[in-house]
Amino acid sequence: QVQLQESGPGLVKPSQTLSLTCTVSGGSISSGSYYWSWIRQPAGKALEWIGRVYTGGSTNYNPSLESRVTISVDTSKNQFSLKLSSVTAADAAVYYCAREPYYDNSGQFDSWGQGTLVTVSS
Amino acid sequence: QSVLTQPPSVSGAPGQRVTISCTGSSSNIGAGYDVHWYQQLPGTAPKLLIYANSNRPSGVPDRFSGSKSGTSASLAITGLQAEDEADYYCQSYDSSLSAYNYVFGTGTKVTVL
Repeated sequence: QVQLQESGPGLVKPSQTLSLTCTVSGGSISSGSYYWSWIRQPAGKALEWIGRVYTGGSTNYNPSLESRVTISVDTSKNQFSLKLSSVTAADAAVYYCAREPYYDNSGQFDSWGQGTLVTVSS
Repeated sequence: QSVLTQPPSVSGAPGQRVTISCTGSSSNIGAGYDVHWYQQLPGTAPKLLIYANSNRPSGVPDRFSGSKSGTSASLAITGLQAEDEADYYCQSYDSSLSAYNYVFGTGTKVTVL
């Protein structure tokens, strides 16, 4: 049973870079069977897909965030990471990491981390 | 800004049937892309409930069913139970910006009366 766990600072200053890591356990991130995504949810609002990375490092990003987002993978640590630059109060949210099966190309997220709350404040 | 529209809330008595709509457009659901549904219990992460329009992952009760037609999709809950009280989100792929982009619905809160 795969488990995903987000980690990183819960407080980021405006204009700085938000950095989060997702550690995958119970399965290998380098198996090639999944894409690995970041999704966020501002308080009381809907979910928003941020982007994804594949084992080899290829990425796709939400067009509305693409200029500020970098997602990378570290197969040696079984982790993938999110960097979001120039944050503002609008970036405050619960950030989730999630897994998407590669084989059927349908796009569902079948496993999620518990989420980590990020506050943006000076 | 969600491109998939859901009713803010639906409610029903225990045992009743409720449905949640997810309305999209020709660049997402209407283009043939699959629709997925998630259940988010208060204070928890979303859980995959229905994938590829009408398929249930292992462990999801058959009280939950999904369908898709044209530019819309629906989630039905039959035999409503108190434990079904949660937020529900649809999700699909959108091709309007010529870039890879997954989109979620606006979310629907289900209340069991």
